[in-house]
Amino acid sequence: EAGVAQSPRYKIIEKRQSVAFWCNPISGHATLYWYQQILGQGPKLLIQFQNNGVVDDSQLPKDRFSAERLKGVDSTLKIQPAKLEDSAVYLCASRTGGSGQETQYFGPGTRLLVL
Amino acid sequence: SQQGEEDPQALSIQEGENATMNCSYKTSINNLQWYRQNSGRGLVHLILIRSNEREKHSGRLRVTLDTSKKSSSLLITASRAADTASYFCATRSAGDTGRRALTFGSGTRLQVQP
Repeated sequence: EAGVAQSPRYKIIEKRQSVAFWCNPISGHATLYWYQQILGQGPKLLIQFQNNGVVDDSQLPKDRFSAERLKGVDSTLKIQPAKLEDSAVYLCASRTGGSGQETQYFGPGTRLLVL
Repeated sequence: SQQGEEDPQALSIQEGENATMNCSYKTSINNLQWYRQNSGRGLVHLILIRSNEREKHSGRLRVTLDTSKKSSSLLITASRAADTASYFCATRSAGDTGRRALTFGSGTRLQVQP
């Protein structure tokens, strides 16, 4: 089974520019998560989708971050405008969504550097 | 905010030795999971222990959970150079009835010297 795909793997931008990340979860996984992982820290949840609906976006900085999962499959995360403190790895994870299924499967992440 | 705090932050051992990592958390949990992250990669699920369990084994991994102390430990026996990675505990809150969201700790960086 193919894993979670993310692109690009690396991105360097200047502050105030915009950037978008793409995630393709494992086929059939209804639940999708975006995490931000700052160097030396654990992942922090930004947003959780169930199919194409938002379950939790309480930690998403909505003044600059947005995410969508229009058809309940692929998802994009956008930052506009970027700040220096947005430099981090952005991880996408998916889960089947079924009850009793707890394991999250992570993609390789997109490493963002904001200069 | 980070729910869990791992201890130690970094650990260096020789191949063949055992590695023990500890995790403390703040609120009541439904389950606790351990994930591994190799440098530049995503996280990989290792093992899950539910709040009503005290110990669980998987291969060379042994996890314990003490809900009264709000702590867990991960033991890797007979370590190998390939075990070099960061290890994170992640908790699902007891109040989370459907989201199954995880809160991750800050991680332990394990270096296994060949």
